Amino acid sequence: ETGVTQTPRHLVMGMTNKKSLKCEQHLGHNAMYWYKQSAKKPLELMFVYSLEERVENNSVPSRFSPECPNSSHLFLHLHTLQPEDSALYLCASSQKGGSGANVLTFGAGSRLTVL
Amino acid sequence: GQNIDQPTEMTATEGAIVQINCTYQTSGFNGLFWYQQHAGEAPTFLSYNVLDGLEEKGRFSSFLSRSKGYSYLLLKELQMKDSASYLCACMDSNYQLIWGAGTKLIIKP
Repeated sequence: ETGVTQTPRHLVMGMTNKKSLKCEQHLGHNAMYWYKQSAKKPLELMFVYSLEERVENNSVPSRFSPECPNSSHLFLHLHTLQPEDSALYLCASSQKGGSGANVLTFGAGSRLTVL
Repeated sequence: GQNIDQPTEMTATEGAIVQINCTYQTSGFNGLFWYQQHAGEAPTFLSYNVLDGLEEKGRFSSFLSRSKGYSYLLLKELQMKDSASYLCACMDSNYQLIWGAGTKLIIKP
């Protein structure tokens, strides 16, 4: 496989469920990201893992918990979500540092619906 | 605060030219990106501008004016497959990306 792969592509869960989103990148990049995309709103950066350091958006609720076991894999653990958390969750990777632009390569996203 | 503005939706005709504008206000500037996102698919990188002027890549061109805080994406010889959302994003002084809400482009035959 090439690029950035996300699973599952679609997820429906109740507010009391626990689920996880998975992301894998095959590009040898050193940074991985979780973004939330809601209709007609800008992409919202949730978490960044870069060179083994985690940077998070302080406005992200604790019911979202990231995990990055290595530079190729990224998870987003979901627990007691709310209906307003329904959105498209995009994973991305990039090669930070060096010359040139920090271009993101995105996965196709996981469409989450919270009932 | 930091802000990116771009039109919500535009409509154009197959074979024509369309210009999608983006204005930005950021704390510092380290470049501007354009991404294309087809419905249900991943955003894909189109262009990066850090210096003033026009960058051309085939049917797509991107322009930047740093003094005006302004960029546009120009699409020529429009094809039906160009129907997509176009996302503008600026990198601020901390190398954080600030995103616009995207412009949905509808191409009509």
